[in-house]
Amino acid sequence: QLQLQESGPGLVKPSETLSLTCTVSGGSISSSSYYWGWIRQPPGKGLEWIGSIYYSGSTYYNPSLKSRVTISVDTSKNQFSLKLSSVTAADTAVYYCARLVVVTAIRFDYWGQGTLVTVSS
Amino acid sequence: DIQMTQSPSSVSASVGDRVTITCRASQGISSWLAWYQQKPGKAPKLLIYAASSLQSGVPSRFSGSGSGTDFTLTISSLQPEDFATYYCQQANSFPPHFGPGTKVDIK
Repeated sequence: QLQLQESGPGLVKPSETLSLTCTVSGGSISSSSYYWGWIRQPPGKGLEWIGSIYYSGSTYYNPSLKSRVTISVDTSKNQFSLKLSSVTAADTAVYYCARLVVVTAIRFDYWGQGTLVTVSS
Repeated sequence: DIQMTQSPSSVSASVGDRVTITCRASQGISSWLAWYQQKPGKAPKLLIYAASSLQSGVPSRFSGSGSGTDFTLTISSLQPEDFATYYCQQANSFPPHFGPGTKVDIK
């Protein structure tokens, strides 16, 4: 059974960089047909796609966040990571990592449990 | 970008009721739409993809339909475990934006 687990600091100061890692177990991050993505959800609000990466390093980013987002992949560790720079309180959210199927129809079929990141001094 | 809207934003229903949620895309996306269920404090769960294909393990009381710009999610007989928030997601191209969600709560 595929599992994804987010890890990283739960508290980040304003103007600093948020860094999270997603560790994939029970399957290879190098599988074809899948991208790997980050989605966030501010408290009490809806889901916002941040970006996605293929094992080769090919990326797609949400245009609204593109200037501040970097997603990278480490196939040797079966992990992918998110960096979001210059954070503000508006970046406070639960951050989820997920597997993105890109054949037939784009869909997120496996999700991590999510990790709350609070931006505060 | 293709933007998604949902209606209603919330619906109150009773166990056994038939519930229908609507999702609209800002431009045609053929049948490339997915639906998710999210319960409080939990990650979203994929219910339906390609507008009408049921994800493995999802009960058959959930069904999806539509194509182009207009889509529906139907719960044929609402069960206690179905009280949750439901999101659509356009599956045609990047960026795969989500709709704003529809909360189904107890009447």
